[in-house]
Amino acid sequence: DGGITQSPKYLFRKEGQNVTLSCEQNLNHDAMYWYRQDPGQGLRLIYYSQIVNDFQKGDIAEGYSVSREKKESFPLTVTSAQKNPTAFYLCASHPGGSTYEQYFGPGTRLTVT
Amino acid sequence: KQEVTQIPAALSVPEGENLVLNCSFTDSAIYNLQWFRQDPGKGLTSLLLIQSSQREQTSGRLNASLDKSSGRSTLYIAASQPGDSATYLCAVTRAGTALIFGKGTTLSVSS
Repeated sequence: DGGITQSPKYLFRKEGQNVTLSCEQNLNHDAMYWYRQDPGQGLRLIYYSQIVNDFQKGDIAEGYSVSREKKESFPLTVTSAQKNPTAFYLCASHPGGSTYEQYFGPGTRLTVT
Repeated sequence: KQEVTQIPAALSVPEGENLVLNCSFTDSAIYNLQWFRQDPGKGLTSLLLIQSSQREQTSGRLNASLDKSSGRSTLYIAASQPGDSATYLCAVTRAGTALIFGKGTTLSVSS
């Protein structure tokens, strides 16, 4: 089965701790994305990567970091500098070009207390 | 800066009704527009993608239209069913392939 996997589905952390969210895709897509979703809000772009070893900040990158060492993996680290980390995090991938759909993973719900 | 607005924010209809969800965007220079469905606590499922050169796309009971010049798209759902209950999100792409989302319309179809 081709697709995007995110783990874990639910994640709980204490305030002040860094946490890493996993995103893996076997679609052979070049581009990968991280979005954040808050209740009643649309998705907001955190980081994106269009090629291995390269990534760009999105609209709300502060307090987050990413790496793209392999084409199939794009982990997101939520650092202690992120002021409101509790949210639903969605990873997506895209094969490139303007004619293709963007595919999403099932999401990780992070709760920080 | 591109902004995407979806109206209404919520909609309740009886089963069998035809309905229209609206999406508007402020910058007409888009590459494509994508409609998604999201069930509570789940990821996004792509429903339809309309390229900037197209006027509409159809999939089963769904029909999406695009009017770039006026910055509008509509998602038409025919003969609604309780299983259609979900949040519907509209998103556009411009620079690169990052999506810009509206806040969604939450649809409830009662049996």
